[in-house]
Amino acid sequence: EPEVTQTPSHQVTQMGQEVILRCVPISNHLYFYWYRQILGQKVEFLVSFYNNEISEKSEIFDDQFSVERPDGSNFTLKIRSTKLEDSAMYFCASSGSRPYNEQFFGPGTRLTVL
Amino acid sequence: EDQVTQSPEALRLQEGESSSLNCSYTVSGLRGLFWYRQDPGKGPEFLFTLYSAGEEKEKERLKATLTKKESFLHITAPKPEDSATYLCAVLGNTGGFKTIFGAGTRLFVKA
Repeated sequence: EPEVTQTPSHQVTQMGQEVILRCVPISNHLYFYWYRQILGQKVEFLVSFYNNEISEKSEIFDDQFSVERPDGSNFTLKIRSTKLEDSAMYFCASSGSRPYNEQFFGPGTRLTVL
Repeated sequence: EDQVTQSPEALRLQEGESSSLNCSYTVSGLRGLFWYRQDPGKGPEFLFTLYSAGEEKEKERLKATLTKKESFLHITAPKPEDSATYLCAVLGNTGGFKTIFGAGTRLFVKA
């Protein structure tokens, strides 16, 4: 069964460093998303991406964040200068031919900023 | 602004004791309401999508229903392996594809 994959599973970085989180969405999906979940809190929308551009972003997704689909399979989230409060679980998701189709989530990348 | 409120925050059941989880939502034009299951340290696992009031979906011991203001996830004769956090999420008609999640209901099923 097709699934969303994410790498790395755990990333530890120093405050101020840049990190890139990687995702491989399900191959025939057209809509891509990043979410974050701070420990013990709700899943929060960061950004949606369709047709090689951002469709919507939340207030969390400031200038320190960027997304890219560098080729036909990968979808990346970059945080330019990490802060302590960026420590969270980051989930990638994808959905099929309609944005209101169900989204399938990856296993997540746990980001720890020291 | 779109909002999702789930209740109760936590629910403890004995194996076989049926119950319901509630998801109340406020959204400008519902495109879809989603139920997910999340195990600790894992990504949300898709369960159901509901699109319009009156719609119902079933899968094994789970049944999801939808009205214009809320959705229920009914759990019939739960087993310990049903223990997880159940998340409700909505996608509104705001132009982009921003999905709003509730805080979830943590379900504990004791054998």
